[in-house]
Amino acid sequence: EVQLAQSGAEVKKPGQSLKISCKDSTYTFTHYWVAWVRQMPGKGLEYMGMINPGDSDSDTRYSPSFQGHVTISADKSINTAYLQWSSLKASDTAIYYCARFRSDTDVFDMWGQGTMVSVSS
Amino acid sequence: QSALTQPPSASGSPGQSVTISCTGSSNDVGGYNYVSWYQQHPDKAPKVVIYQVSKRPSGVPDRFSGSKSGNTASLTVSGLQADDEAVYYCYSYAGVNNQGVFGTGTKVTVL
Repeated sequence: EVQLAQSGAEVKKPGQSLKISCKDSTYTFTHYWVAWVRQMPGKGLEYMGMINPGDSDSDTRYSPSFQGHVTISADKSINTAYLQWSSLKASDTAIYYCARFRSDTDVFDMWGQGTMVSVSS
Repeated sequence: QSALTQPPSASGSPGQSVTISCTGSSNDVGGYNYVSWYQQHPDKAPKVVIYQVSKRPSGVPDRFSGSKSGNTASLTVSGLQADDEAVYYCYSYAGVNNQGVFGTGTKVTVL
């Protein structure tokens, strides 16, 4: 059973916008943070940022490397977190993972299956 | 925030032990006891094997152990098995502004 189900692979052109999703089926969506992690082809993991869906203002934090380049959001009514771009670049080609983050122990304890985003003209 | 430094590769024969290092600074690894380790098999999502430096999640064999000294954390896999062959990443809290950072990753090969 996939507990963090991510949306399917995307093929886009540079300049296009995109929003990918991560649906939590664990009934704990508002109890923990949801983080996004990038993995470029053949490369390592990079922390992008996270959102606290249970916070009244949906507290959102970004790694300095990704601030301003992506937007993280969430819809509590459907237990879903999002990662979006307003103008994609070829360098955004990567697998994007969502992960449940437990702030009490500072650990990503559950991961989605990943969404492959390909950006090419 | 630069990635934490890990050796690119490590290897050992079945039954042997392998230790992977993860070097940061006093702003991350050395400053907090919030180091975790993740195992990633090819084309799979990462999976946590150690958190808070040395704690094992339920279901992770006690062959996996973690430690920290100064700015360097370590993961030891004892009694190597074929399924331990994977890439391992460390992760550390890095303060309120930088939040967190992953290591560069170490590919473990079981000979």
